[in-house]
Amino acid sequence: DIQMTQSPSSLSASVGDRVTITCRASQNIDYYLNWYQQKPGKAPNLLIYSASSLQSGVPSRFSGSGSGTDFTLTISSLQPEDFATYYCQQSYRIPLTFGGGTKVEIK
Amino acid sequence: EVQLVESGGGLVQPGGSLRLSCAASGFTFSNYWMHWVRQAPGKGLVWVSRINSDGSGTNYADSVKGRFTISRDNPKNTLYLQMNSLRAEDTAIYYCARGEVGGSYYGYWGQGTLVTVSS
Repeated sequence: DIQMTQSPSSLSASVGDRVTITCRASQNIDYYLNWYQQKPGKAPNLLIYSASSLQSGVPSRFSGSGSGTDFTLTISSLQPEDFATYYCQQSYRIPLTFGGGTKVEIK
Repeated sequence: EVQLVESGGGLVQPGGSLRLSCAASGFTFSNYWMHWVRQAPGKGLVWVSRINSDGSGTNYADSVKGRFTISRDNPKNTLYLQMNSLRAEDTAIYYCARGEVGGSYYGYWGQGTLVTVSS
């Protein structure tokens, strides 16, 4: 199975901060990497697919980059509604696997 | 509007069975692969199973293989997950999710249904 490792597992940031979350795959997954945001008690919401494509309706302050084994999700200017948990997911090979999550909290 | 609505969750004893349903609307259900993803309380997301658009092909996580069966009824726009020999570690919120065309990522999710396995 492909292991997905996210870092950090949690972070504290202020509104307006630039935030970067990293996801590393245990083997090459080309660009088959997706990012989700999840708020408490809600289903996840797709932000980025295929490493860098912005899902329709998602604010442009979210961006993704990377290929192969190393990927990043960047929030250019953190907004109050962005405090949530973020997950990466590889869709290169079955079983599909998720990272452990990064919880973004208010500083 | 795309909607996915799960049902069928509840409390079941270890070793018991449960069937989850996911009613789809707002899109051509028979065109999409569908998935189940679960999340144990306070934990991360775990892929469970997927089924192709006509129901002829399925895949499972090792942790549920041989115990869970995914199926679909395209005329009824409904996805199912039959869960047998349930264990405490199967306790989770179960989400159905639509696999987007060209990739196994999820543009739409249901609200989830809670399965609790406990005596």
